[in-house]
Order: sequence, then C-alpha cells, then structure tokens
Amino acid sequence: QVQLQESGPGLVKPSETLSLACSISGGSFTFYYWSWIRQSPGKRLEWIGYVYYGGNTNYNPSLKSRVDMSFDTSKDEFFLNLRSVTAADTAVYYCARARPTEYGDMIDLWGRGTLITVSS
Amino acid sequence: DIQMTQSPSSLSASVGDRVTIACRASQNISSHLNWYQQKPGKAPKVLIYDATALQTGVPSRFTGSGSGAEFALTISSLQVEDFATYHCQQSYSFPLTFGGGTQVEMK
Repeated sequence: QVQLQESGPGLVKPSETLSLACSISGGSFTFYYWSWIRQSPGKRLEWIGYVYYGGNTNYNPSLKSRVDMSFDTSKDEFFLNLRSVTAADTAVYYCARARPTEYGDMIDLWGRGTLITVSS
Repeated sequence: DIQMTQSPSSLSASVGDRVTIACRASQNISSHLNWYQQKPGKAPKVLIYDATALQTGVPSRFTGSGSGAEFALTISSLQVEDFATYHCQQSYSFPLTFGGGTQVEMK
C-alpha cells in the first residue's frame, strides 16, 4: 500500500527557507502528480503546486516567486522549498498524490501532514 | 483564480438525518469538482470526484450532484463517523482551489 511521509524542521525563523521532503513508499511514482498543500489555522486548504516525476512543475501564482519543488527519482522523494517565510506561512503542510480523472485531477492520497511554525 | 464558496459553514445534525452541503464556483467548471472529508488532526480523504463519481471504498450514502457552477454533497443518512469537515475543490484550472469547508457537528 502506497504511503507518503513528510519530514521537516517543525520551526523555521522568519526570512529563512522552509524545506520539506516527502517520502513515497510502497508504490510507483509515475503517472501521478505530486503535490504540496497547506492549511493555516482557521483557513481553507491552499494548493501550493505540483511536481511531476519528470521534473516539470506547476505552482500557485500566489507563491510562485518563493517556491521551488523537485523530485528525486533515485530516492522516491519529492521536495518543497519555500523562501523568505513569514508568520503567514505557519501551517500544516501536506504532501499528496493526484491522479488524472475523466474531467480533471483528484487528490487520492495524502501524507499525515507536518506542522510548520514560523517564529523567531 | 476560481473562487469556491461553500454553504453553510457549519451545521448541526443528528444520526440518521439527511444532510446536504452546497458548493458554488465563481465560474463554470463543468464537472471538475471533488469533495473531501477531513476529521480533526487528520488529512483530507476524497469522497467524490468529477462531481458525481464515488471514490472506491466510500459508502454509498455519499452522493455528489451538480455541474457548471452549482454542486452539492448529500449524505443520505448521517452516521457517527460522518461528523467531520467537508471541502469542495475545483480541478478545472490552475491554481487548484478549495472551498472554505463545512463542519458537520452533532446536534
């Protein structure tokens, strides 16, 4: 059974870079879109972007200037870097898998999420 | 960006009740609409995709309806395990966007 597991620092200082990794276990990474999604306290889910196993990316324009995503096929991992963080970036960050459907995409597998707090 | 608006933001219901949650898109999104259930401290779980398709393993008491810009999620007979927050999400265009969530609470 495929599982996703986020790993990251927990606490990041303002203006620094948040770096997260997502480990994929138990299945293939091809034919899917690999995603980061976050949920700030009391706010709606926010899609950060997709990284495809071939390396192509698609980012949310609201974060595009600060985001980089990548995929390491040798380690079955994908990554998120978010630069110049502020308190507004405090959230639970989920890694997730999306797959194409007849009409669009659906996110059919999620990691457990990791809480990232931005504070000095 | 396509804005997704859910209503109500919360509701109180009893076991056995029929519950309907609405989701409106700011433009026509055809059938590019997914529904997720989220329990406290847990990741969301997909229930319905492409507006009406039931994800494998999801009980048949969950039904999705609608197309264009107006959608609904109906739970035909609410069970104890259904008390949760429900989110809609459009997959018509990037960036993917979610509704604000509807919290279903026990009356």
